[in-house]
Amino acid sequence: GDSVTQMEGPVTLSEEAFLTINCTYTATGYPSLFWYVQYPGEGLQLLLKATKADDKGSNKGFEATYRKETTSFHLEKGSVQVSDSAVYFCARHSGGGADGLTFGKGTHLIIQP
Amino acid sequence: KAGVTQTPRYLIKTRGQQVTLSCSPISGHRSVSWYQQTPGQGLQFLFEYFSETQRNKGNFPGRFSGRQFSNSRSEMNVSTLELGDSALYLCASSLVPGGRNTEAFFGQGTRLTVV
Repeated sequence: GDSVTQMEGPVTLSEEAFLTINCTYTATGYPSLFWYVQYPGEGLQLLLKATKADDKGSNKGFEATYRKETTSFHLEKGSVQVSDSAVYFCARHSGGGADGLTFGKGTHLIIQP
Repeated sequence: KAGVTQTPRYLIKTRGQQVTLSCSPISGHRSVSWYQQTPGQGLQFLFEYFSETQRNKGNFPGRFSGRQFSNSRSEMNVSTLELGDSALYLCASSLVPGGRNTEAFFGQGTRLTVV
């Protein structure tokens, strides 16, 4: 079935460091791809999305590009802040009659001042 | 406008009991999906409702059920609770179902603990 694989962490970085969180997905169909963020005690918030190959999603300094050739959707940010500390989830949705969003296991990101 | 509201936020139940969780979607949103989040399995899709009809169901036993009302509010029910049902249950609402181009807005979740 459909699946999403991402590094689980925790990933610990210093403030202003460059961030990459890897995400790969199964190539069944032509899914839309998403990054969600979960802050402690909260639900999930959509961070960015891309609906077709070569699309780049961006928001709040975060970016991810839909790479069909490598079935990847890696999340990047040039300079992280302490407030970026959270759990990040990569997800896919095939649309139509598909069974909801398929999430990766989540990556716990810790930014130290 | 108000976000997705889930009640209650926390719940403690005993094995064998049943529980009902509630979700009020964003005003105007007609699609509601439910997810279970556990440390071991991560986030797993439970079911999706649109216009009071269940559109899709994930791979969960029949003890897990849900429904949607005419005002789009949704409830999920878990009967004969097991220890393994302890989880954060998240509700997501969207304008229409499908998810491909539609943003899903999540509530804060209901933390269910089964003892």
